Amino acid sequence: SAVISQKPSRDICQRGTSLTIQCQVDSQVTMMFWYRQQPGQSLTLIATANQGSEATYESGFVIDKFPISRPNLTFSTLTVSNMSPEDSSIYLCSVNTEAFFGQGTRLTVV
Amino acid sequence: GEDVEQSLFLSVREGDSSVINCTYTDSSSTYLYWYKQEPGAGLQLLTYIFSNMDMKQDQRLTVLLNKKDKHLSLRIADTQTGDSAIYFCAETNRDDKIIFGKGTRLHILP
Repeated sequence: SAVISQKPSRDICQRGTSLTIQCQVDSQVTMMFWYRQQPGQSLTLIATANQGSEATYESGFVIDKFPISRPNLTFSTLTVSNMSPEDSSIYLCSVNTEAFFGQGTRLTVV
Repeated sequence: GEDVEQSLFLSVREGDSSVINCTYTDSSSTYLYWYKQEPGAGLQLLTYIFSNMDMKQDQRLTVLLNKKDKHLSLRIADTQTGDSAIYFCAETNRDDKIIFGKGTRLHILP
């Protein structure tokens, strides 16, 4: 099974700033996904991170707010830009080959 | 659109069996999953079932799939206090993305 490492595991950020979350997988995977879990809610897919091309965003999410990089088959980053308190959530990356998730990044925006 | 529905709460006495139910709408789902999320923790993939199966058993866990009714259930035998968590039902859609239910909070009564 794939081992997925995310960092940071948690952060408290000032509104208006940006945070980049890293996701590292211990094996090469074609598809990586970024999810958001708002407090008390289920998970919502933000985007699919494609290696060698731009990420594919779900309805309600845009590249300017959540830029994603996917430089190779084992790594991806998600940036939460110009943060507001409404962005306080857990952000998780996943690899769909085995539907495993990283432990998530708990973000609090103050 | 795609939708996954599950009840929000379930209370079970310690030692009894827990049955968490889920319905989904996408008939093209290939895999269906059950995840466990303990307080403050990430997602743990408990088990999954391929859509051409109707049952899967793994120690205390039994997954039943009724593809005709688009109904999935998770049975936890001999429920323990450590089983207290939120359980998410999820399916892969035709684009290989995972769609989640809102989660069922399992509460164990002494």
